[in-house]
Amino acid sequence: GAGVSQSPSNKVTEKGKDVELRCDPISGHTALYWYRQSLGQGLEFLIYFQGNSAPDKSGLPSDRFSAERTGGSVSTLTIQRTQQEDSAVYLCASSLGRLTNEKLFFGSGTQLSVL
Amino acid sequence: AQSVTQLGSHVSVSEGALVLLRCNYSSSVPPYLFWYVQYPNQGLQLLLKYTTGATLVKGINGFEAEFKKSETSFHLTKPSAHMSDAAEYFCAVSDGAGTALIFGKGTTLSVSS
Repeated sequence: GAGVSQSPSNKVTEKGKDVELRCDPISGHTALYWYRQSLGQGLEFLIYFQGNSAPDKSGLPSDRFSAERTGGSVSTLTIQRTQQEDSAVYLCASSLGRLTNEKLFFGSGTQLSVL
Repeated sequence: AQSVTQLGSHVSVSEGALVLLRCNYSSSVPPYLFWYVQYPNQGLQLLLKYTTGATLVKGINGFEAEFKKSETSFHLTKPSAHMSDAAEYFCAVSDGAGTALIFGKGTTLSVSS
């Protein structure tokens, strides 16, 4: 596609439910990032995939959060047993190369609201 | 591990005034440094970046930033603010060794007429 696509754009869920957020990166981009954006916290790094290497999971806030990337393309971020503090915009970004000096292309994000 | 500190969560300037947004970083190796901008109701986009070479980097919309190793800073400036510059600005750092790009908490720029 022309850009990074994220779905759904909005997700409202009840506390304790599981949610899955999807990211389709730009075709051919080897790097894929997930970030969380909430008021006053800026962009919080969650996880980073680079090609076939083991992902950098150092930003995941708890073991309720997990992500996978299938076939080096589509990625799914899963939040289990959602809590109200998980409410935020979840952003996905991709970049072309293996080096982290590359420009990131961001999706429009998924607004997650946990009631 | 690298980190970024943006001084001032909100900056207000008058149209035509100098814009200065501050960013300090921490990195154990020569860093790659970035400024991204998020206009209202739009996605994040790259404003400018420093990787190697010239320490004064020019970006889009008249913005520039200077990498100062001795001060571990990468402040963003624009000589004359325009109303359309009102947005949230994020500084980011990477060590380029395959680790993730880390962002600061952002600075919201307001421009008044």
